[in-house]
Amino acid sequence: GENVEQHPSTLSVQEGDSAVIKCTYSDSASNYFPWYKQELGKRPQLIIDIRSNVGEKKDQRIAVTLNKTAKHFSLHITETQPEDSAVYFCAATRRGAGGTSYGKLTFGQGTILTVHP
Amino acid sequence: DGGITQSPKYLFRKEGQNVTLSCEQNLNHDAMYWYRQDPGQGLRLIYYSQIVNDFQKGDIAEGYSVSREKKESFPLTVTSAQKNPTAFYLCASSWGRADTQYFGPGTRLTVL
Repeated sequence: GENVEQHPSTLSVQEGDSAVIKCTYSDSASNYFPWYKQELGKRPQLIIDIRSNVGEKKDQRIAVTLNKTAKHFSLHITETQPEDSAVYFCAATRRGAGGTSYGKLTFGQGTILTVHP
Repeated sequence: DGGITQSPKYLFRKEGQNVTLSCEQNLNHDAMYWYRQDPGQGLRLIYYSQIVNDFQKGDIAEGYSVSREKKESFPLTVTSAQKNPTAFYLCASSWGRADTQYFGPGTRLTVL
């Protein structure tokens, strides 16, 4: 089955700096990679996702890049703000055409991001 | 987010008691999941179900049981066989098992 490794486990930055979280996956057939943000005591929420037919996707201050050859994908947060402080989870799975599911979503271990004012 | 509800928000259990956590969704999703989260830890899959009347064990199913009698409901029972049940429990649902999962607000279980 799929195995997802996430690094670093904790990340501390100053407000305004950039933050990068990296995940590697084992199954070369995986083609869908979502990222979740979980604030303290709250539910994880999808913030961005990427499919294997693109190398990069941006949404305002967040972006995700994918390197299929190296089997890794990364979350980039620019101009960090204190409200970005949370736990971030990456995940990976293989999806077929028309939404056919080949495997279940596998999550990384999470990264605790702290943004200091 | 509002399509998935969990109850109760907080639950206290005495040792030796079974307790049942509720999860309901009105998103018409086929797949539902239960995760356990310990402080500072990731999400560990307990059970998942892709269709009514069918479910599979996840990575840490021992001491837990589930049922899926209705599409919209996937209750989790934490039995007395679960030796360390104090944790934050999250329910999720998705269209299919490889699709984006949407999470409920969670239930925090504490064993007294």
